[in-house]
Amino acid sequence: NAGVTQTPKFQVLKTGQSMTLQCAQDMNHEYMSWYRQDPGMGLRLIHYSVGAGITDQGEVPNGYNVSRSTTEDFPLRLLSAAPSQTSVYFCASSYSIVDPREQFFGPGTRLTVL
Amino acid sequence: SQKIEQNSEALNIQEGKTATLTCNYTNYSPAYLQWYRQDPGRGPVFLLLIRENEKEKRKERLKVTFDTTLKQSLFHITASQPADSATYLCALPIPGYSSASKIIFGSGTRLSIRP
Repeated sequence: NAGVTQTPKFQVLKTGQSMTLQCAQDMNHEYMSWYRQDPGMGLRLIHYSVGAGITDQGEVPNGYNVSRSTTEDFPLRLLSAAPSQTSVYFCASSYSIVDPREQFFGPGTRLTVL
Repeated sequence: SQKIEQNSEALNIQEGKTATLTCNYTNYSPAYLQWYRQDPGRGPVFLLLIRENEKEKRKERLKVTFDTTLKQSLFHITASQPADSATYLCALPIPGYSSASKIIFGSGTRLSIRP
């Protein structure tokens, strides 16, 4: 199993550009989530999904969109990048939020918006 | 709204001592609480989960307690080693979509173990 994979590892955008951060898991997990982590801070939840076709907002959803068309993939779209979105983005997955177990995290995407 | 506080931003202790980290939460009664370890430049790694009906959970040199009256979890590392130096994060589920939950994190405590 590859676990949770994220691409790209690094990305530089200009203000106003859009892009999609990719996340995939091969563990057949129902629950997937996106977090952002700013320097010296913990993780803040952006969006999450409890299964294919079901997504919901987290703590800081503004400026981001998600969709979950398959169990495996959960892409995060930045609609119009802003410098405030410079951060490290982590994708995570878990077997099921109803049967709580550990979340597995990807290696992260480091995004800089100029 | 629900809030999680890890009230020590950084903790420095000597090798061999017990490290104790605190996680407090407000405005909610979670069914469980999780602890994660994060090393610089890496994603968090799960350590322990404790449910609301469990007072204490152990795993090797790690011990977690969960006091639902105080709304607090304590995370202990006994016989600490320099390799235990990392940031430790607590996480808990809060109500989300329908009957599901979403998992939010505290800001973390950076633990440094000096030889």
